[in-house]
Amino acid sequence: QQPVQSPQAVILREGEDAVINCSSSKALYSVHWYRQKHGEAPVFLMILLKGGEQKGHDKISASFNEKKQQSSLYLTASQLSYSGTYFCGTEYSGGSNYKLTFGKGTLLTVNP
Amino acid sequence: ETGVTQTPRHLVMGMTNKKSLKCEQHLGHNAMYWYKQSAKKPLELMFVYNFKEQTENNSVPSRFSPECPNSSHLFLHLHTLQPEDSALYLCASSQDSSWSSGANVLTFGAGSRLTVL
Repeated sequence: QQPVQSPQAVILREGEDAVINCSSSKALYSVHWYRQKHGEAPVFLMILLKGGEQKGHDKISASFNEKKQQSSLYLTASQLSYSGTYFCGTEYSGGSNYKLTFGKGTLLTVNP
Repeated sequence: ETGVTQTPRHLVMGMTNKKSLKCEQHLGHNAMYWYKQSAKKPLELMFVYNFKEQTENNSVPSRFSPECPNSSHLFLHLHTLQPEDSALYLCASSQDSSWSSGANVLTFGAGSRLTVL
């Protein structure tokens, strides 16, 4: 069951903020965030494991709500280098095999 | 070299051809994965190998055949593909594929862009 990401695309001017959401219909074990620039490999940003957790690096941060069904990625004072497609990947509790399921991605474009 | 390396980066093949994609990781990881990335679709997990053993086959057609001779190398053998198989095939690795904090964070390769004519 894949997570739902929103919005599908967002265009910003440099310095503006953005929020990308990742939602699931049932409780998650973890949420991963990755960014993929055009023609490049997806790159890991961060992983959230606990309900209510917030994590960040520089001006990119993420949260995981208490019910562990939604995560949001916050990009503050965006830079040109933030442009790319952001994916959330989710794991569900239960089951014996690893299965990270990705959303369709959010295309972020930062213009000068 | 460091990270995850995929070859070839681009491949064009006919429906009757046989070709292989190669993936190599220099991270000391024990789990390796194949993902398929098509336009406007989410990343689709195809296969998972953990310590050289296949642990996941996500209902992938038999025209895709994975091989994992050791923890550092992963192949995807292709034969009699269909045009709808055209996509970016991403290889990834992680420490292992178990349920533990951070152990299954993925490091991706840049992908092999496959076009089936």
